[in-house]
Amino acid sequence: SQQGEEDPQALSIQEGENATMNCSYKTSINNLQWYRQNSGRGLVHLILIRSNEREKHSGRLRVTLDTSKKSSSLLITASRAADTASYFCATDQAGTALIFGKGTTLSVSS
Amino acid sequence: DADVTQTPRNRITKTGKRIMLECSQTKGHDRMYWYRQDPGLGLQLIYYSFDVKDINKGEISDGYSVSRQAQAKFSLSLESAIPNQTALYFCATSDRTAGMDTQYFGPGTRLTVL
Repeated sequence: SQQGEEDPQALSIQEGENATMNCSYKTSINNLQWYRQNSGRGLVHLILIRSNEREKHSGRLRVTLDTSKKSSSLLITASRAADTASYFCATDQAGTALIFGKGTTLSVSS
Repeated sequence: DADVTQTPRNRITKTGKRIMLECSQTKGHDRMYWYRQDPGLGLQLIYYSFDVKDINKGEISDGYSVSRQAQAKFSLSLESAIPNQTALYFCATSDRTAGMDTQYFGPGTRLTVL
């Protein structure tokens, strides 16, 4: 079974707006990662947040992690049409491979 | 990512045929993975290997087998392909630096089983 579950499944916004997507998971983790996938292509790593961190920034990306609620959120500020993609969270547990969620499909229209 | 290559990129085959998907990497990573992606189901882990002598089953290993021929090569085989194995297959690598596995993906192989 998949560890991470993203919400919403799909999100449509206008350019310039912020996009927020959430990830919930079931068991303890070492870290949580977010990946991006352009249509039909391989995933690309965006950002990693460790279990002892609460917030992390990278450019227009902001990730939060709440280990008590077993949840994370990815915020993309000032969205652009080029941000249109699917976004996946992945959880890292010791001794096993990353487990990916089902993803959120983001559509940014100009 | 050009450092992780997959061959073939597209393959159409018939039910019952044996198929091999190949993955090569020049990143020098010890860890390699095979995933399949179906629409709406995200990525599902098929097999993974943490080094040349280590092979582990993932969530959906039934109907698949793998071979880790060298640090740089990890092949996925479908011994007798069936239509519900039609999917997009990804290979990935990682190097557990500082206790963190950041994965690097290949471009994918689109497999159609008729």
